[in-house]
Amino acid sequence: AQRVTQPEKLLSVFKGAPVELKCNYSYSGSPELFWYVQYSRQRLQLLLRHISRESIKGFTADLNKGETSFHLKKPFAQEEDSAMYYCALTVQGAQKLVFGQGTRLTINP
Amino acid sequence: NAGVTQTPKFRILKIGQSMTLQCTQDMNHNYMYWYRQDPGMGLKLIYYSVGAGITDKGEVPNGYNVSRSTTEDFPLRLELAAPSQTSVYFCASSYGTRRNTEAFFGQGTRLTVV
Repeated sequence: AQRVTQPEKLLSVFKGAPVELKCNYSYSGSPELFWYVQYSRQRLQLLLRHISRESIKGFTADLNKGETSFHLKKPFAQEEDSAMYYCALTVQGAQKLVFGQGTRLTINP
Repeated sequence: NAGVTQTPKFRILKIGQSMTLQCTQDMNHNYMYWYRQDPGMGLKLIYYSVGAGITDKGEVPNGYNVSRSTTEDFPLRLELAAPSQTSVYFCASSYGTRRNTEAFFGQGTRLTVV
């Protein structure tokens, strides 16, 4: 079965510091990985997906199949990055979209 | 565009009562999902559907039922509410194709069972 693990429930960094939110997954096939974000009083929304290989709001994430990881990184955190971040996985053909436990990121001024 | 709309936004139920959480989307998405979000536990998949007339269980289906009679609507039914069902419920939808797998979420329904 697919599983997504985010080991940090809470992460606090200072503005301008680098940020890394960890995500590990378990699946033997070829998954599709996503990062979703929920800002205060807003809906959960897609931040980025691994197949796009894009940078959104300064965030990037690389799929490492050897380590089964999809960590989210940003070199210089901004206060507006404070939010709840979820790593998610779907398997082509399986239809299910499975989420991790989420990490609440707080950027301190 | 309305996107994914959930009703109600808030509800308090007594133990043993029943209710239906409504979810509708206007994007002609095939896939629809129901999740519950418990504090510190992330999002857990309750049920999902890949098209009208097709539903399947997720990780935590016990105590819930769903139906998908149309592409647009995916209601979630609680038959005998229990305190363990106190949670925030999210409905989501997506096209579900390889090139377009982004899920769009509703604003959530905060349910309290007392």
